Amino acid sequence: SQQGEEDPQALSIQEGENATMNCSYKTSINNLQWYRQNSGRGLVHLILIRSNEREKHSGRLRVTLDTSKKSSSLLITASRAADTASYFCATDAGNKLVFGAGTILRVKS
Amino acid sequence: NAGVTQTPKFQVLKTGQSMTLQCAQDMNHEYMSWYRQDPGMGLRLIHYSVGAGITDQGEVPNGYNVSRSTTEDFPLRLLSAAPSQTSVYFCASKDSYNEQFFGPGTRLTVL
Repeated sequence: SQQGEEDPQALSIQEGENATMNCSYKTSINNLQWYRQNSGRGLVHLILIRSNEREKHSGRLRVTLDTSKKSSSLLITASRAADTASYFCATDAGNKLVFGAGTILRVKS
Repeated sequence: NAGVTQTPKFQVLKTGQSMTLQCAQDMNHEYMSWYRQDPGMGLRLIHYSVGAGITDQGEVPNGYNVSRSTTEDFPLRLLSAAPSQTSVYFCASKDSYNEQFFGPGTRLTVL
């Protein structure tokens, strides 16, 4: 069974808008990671947030983590057409990284 | 650095055939792993290794074998291919900051 579950399953926005994706998980974690996958390609690591961190920024990305609610969110600000991709959260509880089913983001220009 | 490389890119097998998916990394990472990705799903962990000579099972290990004789290589063997193993397979290695680097994937079809 998958640990992380993303919400929404699909998101369509206009270029320049912000995109927010959410991830919920079930068990204790060491860290939570977000990955991007362009169609037909491998996954690319975006950002890692540790269990003792609440918020992290990287360029146009902002990730929050609420361990009490076992949830995380990924915010992409000022979206671009090139941000069109699938986004996955993955929870790390040791030697196993467990992925959710992903959010498909489409940014229309 | 080439990063994580996988061969072949595409493969078609008949039910019952065996094959090995190759994975190599040149970043001297101790941790390597294999995932499969099915349509509409995230990645599911098949096997992983924390170093040469050490392997362990992930979420969906049945039907697959692995070995890790060197730090660089982590091959995945399908013993007797089944249509349920039709999937895209990704190999990854992990650095000391827990960031995983993925290969480009192998698209496998079992007829």
